[in-house]
Amino acid sequence: NAGVMQNPRHLVRRRGQEARLRCSPMKGHSHVYWYRQLPEEGLKFMVYLQKENIIDESGMPKERFSAEFPKEGPSILRIQQVVRGDSAAYFCASSPRQNTEAFFGQGTRLTVV
Amino acid sequence: RKEVEQDPGPFNVPEGATVAFNCTYSNSASQSFFWYRQDCRKEPKLLMSVYSSGNEDGRFTAQLNRASQYISLLIRDSKLSDSATYLCVRYGGSQGNLIFGKGTKLSVKP
Repeated sequence: NAGVMQNPRHLVRRRGQEARLRCSPMKGHSHVYWYRQLPEEGLKFMVYLQKENIIDESGMPKERFSAEFPKEGPSILRIQQVVRGDSAAYFCASSPRQNTEAFFGQGTRLTVV
Repeated sequence: RKEVEQDPGPFNVPEGATVAFNCTYSNSASQSFFWYRQDCRKEPKLLMSVYSSGNEDGRFTAQLNRASQYISLLIRDSKLSDSATYLCVRYGGSQGNLIFGKGTKLSVKP
């Protein structure tokens, strides 16, 4: 049973381009969480999704950021018109249901140049 | 009051020492709590779940005090490999998302 898979592991984008981060949850997991982490800082919650639904997006900026978790395929975190401040590690976690253990992918390190 | 609050440390301890971390939370409706560890530039990894009155796993013991709204992690006989940042986590109320503390850094020295 493969763990949570994130790709790409490293992503470099120029200012103004789009970044697409993918997260395939563990088999049987229908809950996905996205977090952002700056160097030497804690994990900041961005968005929580279940299959085809956004449950909580209170941590995600209203502009330029969007997330989806379609019926088929991975969850996608999309950042449009990236700026230098978007440079961070983005982690995805999945769980089979609420109130239970969640497991993380290895993260995508986004660098905006 | 922050949702999940931890002493950032660092805690510098010798090998073999016993060390304890506390974490306080603000939402009394929270049902589930966890400790994760995170190594530098790596993803967080689940260390322990903390249910009802707490639990023990080898050298690690987690306790939950609902009345005072805090959980603790005790590490006995510290190893060099225990050096990491320890993250306190609670499941949020109605939304059901995971809320992380900023972590407590532990450094175990020979």
